Amino acid sequence: EVQLVESGGGLVQPGGSLRLSCAASGFTSSDHYMDWVRQAPGKGLEWVGRSRSKPHSYTTEYAASVKGRFTITRDDSKNLLYLHMNSLKPEDTAVFYCVRAQPSGTPYPHYFFGDWGQGTLVTVSS
Amino acid sequence: DIQMTQSPSSLSASVGDRVTITCRASQGINNYLAWFQQKPGKAPKSLIYAASSLQSGVPSRFSGSGSGTDFTLTISSLQPEDFATYYCQHYNSYPLTFGGGTKVEIK
Repeated sequence: EVQLVESGGGLVQPGGSLRLSCAASGFTSSDHYMDWVRQAPGKGLEWVGRSRSKPHSYTTEYAASVKGRFTITRDDSKNLLYLHMNSLKPEDTAVFYCVRAQPSGTPYPHYFFGDWGQGTLVTVSS
Repeated sequence: DIQMTQSPSSLSASVGDRVTITCRASQGINNYLAWFQQKPGKAPKSLIYAASSLQSGVPSRFSGSGSGTDFTLTISSLQPEDFATYYCQHYNSYPLTFGGGTKVEIK
């Protein structure tokens, strides 16, 4: 059974840093594209960033709102995905979800959000 | 960036009703369109991908259709557990973007 468990959320001051973790089980995360998606309180969903799979060299993509401040990394030995967040702003306050992407289409698949974790809340406030 | 516009933003319906939610992309997305269901306090759940493919384990009363820029999610006979917020999302290119959501409430 696929499981994604996020951790590391909490209260941080504006300008501060935080690292979120996503523990994957039931599959080998290095074989999969992985995403972070967030949801501000009472608002809709916003894609944050993507880490492609190991065969694609773990290359990354980011939303413009976080590019240059957020970085996605992995630890294959522990089946972990990370989101490193720097220069945090109050508007970054949200529940952050870890997502396993699934391929769609051939011969060059695009990837949609398949399995979701339960989320971890990040609050940026003084 | 591709903008996704959902309508309506909310609707009231009764158990057994047929419900239709529409999603329009600001440009063609090659049917790389997904639908998600989210209940309060819970993570979103994947329902449909590639515009019309049903995700494993999702009841057959859910269906997706459309092509180009206009897409539809249909619930053929609304059940009590279907009251939730629904989001469309394209995955044709970066950035990946979502529609604003449609809240389905009990009439």
